[in-house]
Amino acid sequence: KAGVTQTPRYLIKTRGQQVTLSCSPISGHRSVSWYQQTPGQGLQFLFEYFSETQRNKGNFPGRFSGRQFSNSRSEMNVSTLELGDSALYLCASSPSPGANTGELFFGEGSRLTVL
Amino acid sequence: GQQLNQSPQSMFIQEGEDVSMNCTSSSIFNTWLWYKQDPGEGPVLLIALYKAGELTSNGRLTAQFGTTRKDSFLNISASIPSDVGIYFCAGQYGGSNYKLTFGKGTLLTVNP
Repeated sequence: KAGVTQTPRYLIKTRGQQVTLSCSPISGHRSVSWYQQTPGQGLQFLFEYFSETQRNKGNFPGRFSGRQFSNSRSEMNVSTLELGDSALYLCASSPSPGANTGELFFGEGSRLTVL
Repeated sequence: GQQLNQSPQSMFIQEGEDVSMNCTSSSIFNTWLWYKQDPGEGPVLLIALYKAGELTSNGRLTAQFGTTRKDSFLNISASIPSDVGIYFCAGQYGGSNYKLTFGKGTLLTVNP
């Protein structure tokens, strides 16, 4: 069974640009969450999607947005990039919310560097 | 908002030693989880705890859900080099809120 796939794995952008990251969940998983990981702040929750609907959102500015498609694949977008957006962005999938156990299956992440 | 304090931040130990780390929260959680992240990888679930006072083992790992529901502990016995990595605690309140709140991690280094 394939794991969570994130693309791209690495990318470099400059301030002011925007970026789109993609996540394909484990087959059959319908919930997708996004986390930002930095050395200073650890793992910070961005948002969670289920059935194309955003169910939870973390404390990030509106520059951070996401969406989920009918096949459960998800994308997140960051507009007007700032230096502080440099981080590892992790996507995680889980089965339907009725079976929510807190277990998340993480991808390897997309490492974003903003210059 | 909810915050998790995880300690220690880092540990450097000799192979064969036991390891303990813990997490405390300013508010209660209904689920506590422990994840491990290897270099270049995403976190992987080690142990999940669903009831206050619960003690659960997974091989050499043992974790406990504190009776106050505001803390959790992870112990690793007889450490080996492959235990190297970052260990994260995470709490989930539950209900309609499925997000996890993570601690900042404990970096474990094992000297062979």
